[in-house]
Amino acid sequence: SAVISQKPSRDICQRGTSLTIQCQVDSQVTMMFWYRQQPGQSLTLIATANQGSEATYESGFVIDKFPISRPNLTFSTLTVSNMSPEDSSIYLCSVEGQGGGYTFGSGTRLTVV
Amino acid sequence: GENVEQHPSTLSVQEGDSAVIKCTYSDSASNYFPWYKQELGKRPQLIIDIRSNVGEKKDQRIAVTLNKTAKHFSLHITETQPEDSAVYFCAAKAGGTSYGKLTFGQGTILTVHP
Repeated sequence: SAVISQKPSRDICQRGTSLTIQCQVDSQVTMMFWYRQQPGQSLTLIATANQGSEATYESGFVIDKFPISRPNLTFSTLTVSNMSPEDSSIYLCSVEGQGGGYTFGSGTRLTVV
Repeated sequence: GENVEQHPSTLSVQEGDSAVIKCTYSDSASNYFPWYKQELGKRPQLIIDIRSNVGEKKDQRIAVTLNKTAKHFSLHITETQPEDSAVYFCAAKAGGTSYGKLTFGQGTILTVHP
């Protein structure tokens, strides 16, 4: 299965600022997925990032708030913009491996103060 | 879009007992159903999965069953051990125009008492 390196692992940010999260995969993948996991909750898909095209956002998530880059088949970034305390969550990237199973990055624990 | 419902939200068992977690899905085009285990502070880890052309799959103490007609699937853990304590999530992979997306259930907190 694919190995994903995600960073930063955690950060504490001031409200109104932005944070960019990076995910690097050890193999080329067509789609990369970005999830949010609020405290004690399940995983909610933010958007799907395809190389060479704009990301596809789920209902309730917009590009201005969560801009995504996908410059190549092994790398993607998610930016959380103009942060508020409600953005405090764990953010995870995910890819589908060749065998069909999905693996996750180690997650970014974001606290907005 | 796909909707996945998971029950129960919490499950407490004695060591050695069996645990069963159930999920239902809404999109008949979904074709892949993984189960994830998430320990506190860690990433979700895939523990078993099943595809829509299979009714049952087993891996040592863990098994998953799928009923496509009823659109539900279940995780069975036998001979539970304290290290099985974690949050378990089911998920369904969308077909059709939403191909590739995983939709997760709400999660089940499993506690295995020694």
